[in-house]
This record gives sequence, C-alpha cells and structure tokens, in this order.
Amino acid sequence: KAGVTQTPRYLIKTRGQQVTLSCSPISGHRSVSWYQQTPGQGLQFLFEYFSETQRNKGNFPGRFSGRQFSNSRSEMNVSTLELGDSALYLCASSGQGPPNYGYTFGSGTRLTVV
Amino acid sequence: EDKVVQSPLSLVVHEGDTVTLNCSYEVTNFRSLLWYKQEKKAPTFLFMLTSSGIEKKSGRLSSILDKKELFSILNITATQTGDSAVYLCAGTFTPTSGGSNYKLTFGKGTLLTVNP
Repeated sequence: KAGVTQTPRYLIKTRGQQVTLSCSPISGHRSVSWYQQTPGQGLQFLFEYFSETQRNKGNFPGRFSGRQFSNSRSEMNVSTLELGDSALYLCASSGQGPPNYGYTFGSGTRLTVV
Repeated sequence: EDKVVQSPLSLVVHEGDTVTLNCSYEVTNFRSLLWYKQEKKAPTFLFMLTSSGIEKKSGRLSSILDKKELFSILNITATQTGDSAVYLCAGTFTPTSGGSNYKLTFGKGTLLTVNP
C-alpha cells in the first residue's frame, strides 16, 4: 500500500511569509501527527489530529496551526515565518492502537526560510 | 516535562564491530519506548518495547528495556556500512486527561558511522 505522502518536498520562503504543508496518510489511517526536526532540537512534536479533531498539541507558538480533512489528509500552516522555522517537517500516520510499527513517517518537507 | 536522552550523540566504528546505543527516559505515565533508524529523511521503525527485560530481536539488531532504571539499549552486532544512520529513541505515555497517546517524545539521536 502507498506510504505517507508529503508535499512539497522542498520549499524556500522569505521571512514574514506564510506556508502550508500537506500530508496524505496511509489509506485507512485516521491519525496524523506532525513533527519539526532541527539539528539543535531534534524531533519535536507539533500536533496530532484524529477524525478532524486536534487531540494533542506540542509547545509551539500559535503561528503553527493545522487541520485535518474528512479524508484524513492533513495540512499544517506556519504564519509570519521566522528564520528559526527552517527545518524538516515530518508527518506520521497511524491506524488503530498506540504508536507502533503502524506509526509511519513520510519523507518530510524541507523548509528553508531566508 | 517528558524527557528522552540518548548517548552517545555520535559514534564511529569499523565494519564488524558491535555497538550499543543508550536511551534513558523520564516520561510521565510511560507506555512504550520505540527505536527508529533515520538514514535520509523518513525515520523507519525498528522496535517497540513495553515490557521490562524482554529482548526484541531483528537480525543483527536487538533491544531491551529496563523499566525500573528507565532506560533502553539498542545493540547492533557485526556492523555494516549500511547501518550508518541516526538512531532515534522515543517514549510514549498514557494521558491522564483526554488527548491521546499518539505523541512521541524523541531523544536527539545517535549518529552512527560505520567505516569499511
């Protein structure tokens, strides 16, 4: 079955702009989580959606937001971009039960803010 | 605050060596510990550990969890150049009030380099 698909793969934006990233989970998976990965902080949890509802949120400013659609696809939005937002953004989808081998990551979107 | 610490941060070995990667955690209402391998972008799942003292094994890789001492180790025997990657450990917890346990708290990873 198809894996987790993230688009776009790469993105370059200017400070102050906003950006929207997309994640299509594995078919049948209803949970989508987003993570930010930077060299200094490693992988940090942003938020998790299940059936269009945000169930968990990490410690990120309100500039980071997300949503999930009825087909489980998810988007995350970052407004008023800052240089420190440059990172690899990973999404992961999961089926039933707690995170396990069903918790599959996409290849990520590399965001560069200049 | 939930915390996962990995050591060493980086390691260089020669093919054929055996390596042990360490992961200690402080996760409230601990549920499970997971190991991932990240070569380029997408972390790929290796093991999930929930019970203390039970070794999980897959080929040359194995892992064990000590819930009393709050740590886990990942062993790789007879290393190969293809084992070069960042190895990530993450903890999950059972939330006490709402939410879900679909949140992983990651360590910063161990960069393993295997030289021929």
